[in-house]
Amino acid sequence: EAGVTQFPSHSVIEKGQTVTLRCDPISGHDNLYWYRRVMGKEIKFLLHFVKESKQDESGMPNNRFLAERTGGTYSTLKVQPAELEDSGVYFCASSHLTGPNSPLHFGNGTRLTVT
Amino acid sequence: DAKTTQPPSMDCAEGRAANLPCNHSTISGNEYVYWYRQIHSQGPQYIIHGLKNNETNEMASLIITEDRKSSTLILPHATLRDTAVYYCIVNNAGNMLTFGGGTRLMVKP
Repeated sequence: EAGVTQFPSHSVIEKGQTVTLRCDPISGHDNLYWYRRVMGKEIKFLLHFVKESKQDESGMPNNRFLAERTGGTYSTLKVQPAELEDSGVYFCASSHLTGPNSPLHFGNGTRLTVT
Repeated sequence: DAKTTQPPSMDCAEGRAANLPCNHSTISGNEYVYWYRQIHSQGPQYIIHGLKNNETNEMASLIITEDRKSSTLILPHATLRDTAVYYCIVNNAGNMLTFGGGTRLMVKP
């Protein structure tokens, strides 16, 4: 089966611009997550979708970040306007079941550089 | 979620077993122990998880102590491709994983 795919793999934008990241989960996985690692820090949770509903968005840093999952399939994460501190690697993950006994499967991430 | 403690780095000779320890002394009864790894420039890769019993799959074995306060990930025959950062995570809050600093495993020829 195809794994979690993310697009683009790299993005370089200027401060103040908008960027949209896309994630395609493993087919049939209702749960989709966004994580990120900013420079020098640990990987941090951003939010969790169950199908098209936001289950937990406690990790979203501020209202410049908007995540959507219309139709419960792929998801987008929009950053508008981007700031320098948003630079980092954004990971998407999916899992079949909700709950602690269901492993997450991660994509290879989108490396975002804001200049 | 309980906090975990791992050594920051370890070396292992190629072909030998790599034994990566993890302390999770505050783990509660419904928390699973998960191991992920991150190979340079890739996303975190799921390895194995368990609740109370030891587990084995095609990648590794997970040994959990009887009191569940610590665990060991065993890679039975380490290869150069196993060089990565290994994360031990305890998880009961759905799937909001808390990644720490992990253990940087260097497999040497």
